[in-house]
Amino acid sequence: DSGVTQTPKHLITATGQRVTLRCSPRSGDLSVYWYQQSLDQGLQFLIQYYNGEERAKGNILERFSAQQFPDLHSELNLSSLELGDSALYFCASSVEVLSDTQYFGPGTRLTVL
Amino acid sequence: QQPVQSPQAVILREGEDAVINCSSSKALYSVHWYRQKHGEAPVFLMILLKGGEQKGHEKISASFNEKKQQSSLYLTASQLSYSGTYFCGTEERMGGGADGLTFGKGTHLIIQP
Repeated sequence: DSGVTQTPKHLITATGQRVTLRCSPRSGDLSVYWYQQSLDQGLQFLIQYYNGEERAKGNILERFSAQQFPDLHSELNLSSLELGDSALYFCASSVEVLSDTQYFGPGTRLTVL
Repeated sequence: QQPVQSPQAVILREGEDAVINCSSSKALYSVHWYRQKHGEAPVFLMILLKGGEQKGHEKISASFNEKKQQSSLYLTASQLSYSGTYFCGTEERMGGGADGLTFGKGTHLIIQP
């Protein structure tokens, strides 16, 4: 158990819909990262927040957005869902913003039908 | 730029050694190694920083050749619990900058009794 929690564990929805994934970092961690893992694309970095501010942006689609709240939990919003968005979405957290160990949560498996 | 991992897969008998390589065409600041078992979250193994020392604990160690932008993960006297997919993640700049952590496609390691 890494100490990072993610909800829900599984999510099944239809194309065109919008979903919100939630992540609570380890106690004391200020950085939160979001990753997407699919069979064809592998593990892809989406976005990072540090203490409420966006820190780095990777291969995140415009249909996706994220935020980190004052209590440091983070949410990833996915809208206008497409079949190709089906994937495992991981949240990770670390203490520092620079080159630090990232602890991954158990992931949310999103299935778009 | 996604790092290239080799081999793609390897099958060993318990007690044998393995080497997994990770290379990039870009100048790297750090290399991160993770192991992921099927259906589970990636688990941190170690970070190697530019100018840092070779890391290791117990029977897993790694090196980072800054001149060649290559890192290798060494698994000595492999155990059944070492089975899984190994990912290297690379940072081109301290803190990842705009690109965050970029992962390779992974190396599948199967340890047989």
